[in-house]
Amino acid sequence: AQSVTQPDIHITVSEGASLELRCNYSYGATPYLFWYVQSPGQGLQLLLKYFSGDTLVQGIKGFEAEFKRSQSSFNLRKPSVHWSDAAEYFCAVAPGSARQLTFGSGTQLTVLP
Amino acid sequence: DTGVSQNPRHKITKRGQNVTFRCDPISEHNRLYWYRQTLGQGPEFLTYFQNEAQLEKSRLLSDRFSAERPKGSFSTLEIQRTEQGDSAMYLCASSLGTNSNQPQHFGDGTRLSIL
Repeated sequence: AQSVTQPDIHITVSEGASLELRCNYSYGATPYLFWYVQSPGQGLQLLLKYFSGDTLVQGIKGFEAEFKRSQSSFNLRKPSVHWSDAAEYFCAVAPGSARQLTFGSGTQLTVLP
Repeated sequence: DTGVSQNPRHKITKRGQNVTFRCDPISEHNRLYWYRQTLGQGPEFLTYFQNEAQLEKSRLLSDRFSAERPKGSFSTLEIQRTEQGDSAMYLCASSLGTNSNQPQHFGDGTRLSIL
């Protein structure tokens, strides 16, 4: 069965600083990979997705993620964080032939002024 | 595109009562998913529909849970004889297409609190 690990439960960065959120997955083949963001009391918004091709994918709100097959990782990055980026971030995987997403436990991002 | 709509947003009920949640997917989406999210965790898959057919159910979906999607449009999730452990956010998502490379779009969820 596939699994997703987000090793950082909580990350604090200053506004304007760079950000990297880690995600590692366990799956026998290359899954479909996603990053979602969730604000308090809200649903999940898709930031970006990777299916195949270029391993560096661009998303909304200035986020990007890089798929590294050798490390089974799909880390999320942003060069300059804004206060509005404070939220919880979830990495998710979906095997090519399955229907459901498997989520990590999330990383809570705090942005200091 | 009005997004995925879930009602109610919050539900408070006493243990042992039955509750029903509704999800209205994005209109052209033929796939509909239910997830459960407990505090401090990521969402966990419960069940999935393609059109009106319920194709997959998680082991998390005990016999007290039932989901329907009549006519392949909106869906309902019912929990009978609620227990304390049912307290969670219930999220609905929808997607278009027959391949899992179509991203799922989530609603804002229904938060269930069991007294």
